[in-house]
Amino acid sequence: SQTIHQWPATLVQPVGSPLSLECTVEGTSNPNLYWYRQAAGRGLQLLFYSVGIGQISSEVPQNLSASRPQDRQFILSSKKLLLSDSGFYLCAWNLQEGAEAFFGQGTRLTVV
Amino acid sequence: GESVGLHLPTLSVQEGDNSIINCAYSNSASDYFIWYKQESGKGPQFIIDIRSNMDKRQGQRVTVLLNKTVKHLSLQIAATQPGDSAVYFCAETFSGSARQLTFGSGTQLTVLP
Repeated sequence: SQTIHQWPATLVQPVGSPLSLECTVEGTSNPNLYWYRQAAGRGLQLLFYSVGIGQISSEVPQNLSASRPQDRQFILSSKKLLLSDSGFYLCAWNLQEGAEAFFGQGTRLTVV
Repeated sequence: GESVGLHLPTLSVQEGDNSIINCAYSNSASDYFIWYKQESGKGPQFIIDIRSNMDKRQGQRVTVLLNKTVKHLSLQIAATQPGDSAVYFCAETFSGSARQLTFGSGTQLTVLP
């Protein structure tokens, strides 16, 4: 069966520090991968999506970047965090021919 | 995909009553719709889906209705239980979009004892 792992679960980082959140998917090949951000009490905002290794599409201009070094690995990064980067970050995947997306358990990022 | 950016609307129901959560979608080309349930501090979980060639689909205690004419989606939960308390999101997508999901703003469902 397929599983998605996202870590860390919580993170507190100072303003100006770098960020690296990792997401891996097991049990499937060539998935679409997604990074979403959710502010407290609000909906999900798509940040990045990838349809293959090295292919990254950005939905909104921002202080973050994404990379996909391997087929089932998706990384969200920042060189210098801002206070506004605080939020709940969710990784998700689905299959090229499917539509339903499966989500990780999320990372709660607090920038202080 | 994008979030609406509004604070979540809320719905309170008595335990045992039926709940109806509504969602308006934006893209007339969308051909696949999903309802997700998100408990506090966790990722969204799939509840039920429906394709645009259907107007109703039933699961265990849940029913999704699709009205393409007015671009409206609803989730009905029968005999609501305390464990149903969560935020519910609808999502839409269409072929050729890399199956990106566009989420609605969500509804906070609270089940009262």
